[in-house]
Amino acid sequence: GQQVMQIPQYQHVQEGEDFTTYCNSSTTLSNIQWYKQRPGGHPVFLIQLVKSGEVKKQKRLTFQFGEAKKNSSLHITATQTTDVGTYFCAGYSSASKIIFGSGTRLSIRP
Amino acid sequence: DAGVIQSPRHEVTEMGQEVTLRCKPISGHNSLFWYRQTMMRGLELLIYFNNNVPIDDSGMPEDRFSAKMPNASFSTLKIQPSEPRDSAVYFCASSLGTSRGQYFGPGTRLLVL
Repeated sequence: GQQVMQIPQYQHVQEGEDFTTYCNSSTTLSNIQWYKQRPGGHPVFLIQLVKSGEVKKQKRLTFQFGEAKKNSSLHITATQTTDVGTYFCAGYSSASKIIFGSGTRLSIRP
Repeated sequence: DAGVIQSPRHEVTEMGQEVTLRCKPISGHNSLFWYRQTMMRGLELLIYFNNNVPIDDSGMPEDRFSAKMPNASFSTLKIQPSEPRDSAVYFCASSLGTSRGQYFGPGTRLLVL
């Protein structure tokens, strides 16, 4: 069945360092979404990517969708303590079935 | 605007009891999703509805779980009988279409003793 793998599982960085999480699907995706979940909170929708090779930016966050539409990445430049949380990718298959990645937990040393 | 509303926020019950979780989606959203989140299994999609009709319930763990959406503004997830392994955070989410960004409620933390 369809799988969405996300790495790394954990990332601990110094404040000001960059952070990247990667998402890989076993099948071609129709679109991919990214969510952020703060500790004790609920997932919050960040962005959706639809086109092959698409790149979108939200302030210090850069999202990419691979050319083959099977992988994606989220890059945070110069992390801040407010970036702490777990970042999930969620891929949609052609059958409109959503699969969430296992998430990358980001912690930051002030 | 009110977001997705879930109740109760916390539920502690004993094994064998019936548990009913409730969700009110964002007004105008036509897709509704139920998820379960645990440390071991992560975020799992249980079932989703489009225009109040269940589309995919393949994630529902077993017959003890059932979900309904009698109208566009209300859905329930019922566990009967509950078991300790059902302990988790249950999220409801809604969206404008099944493949659009989802807006999650605050979740119900369920503990089955």
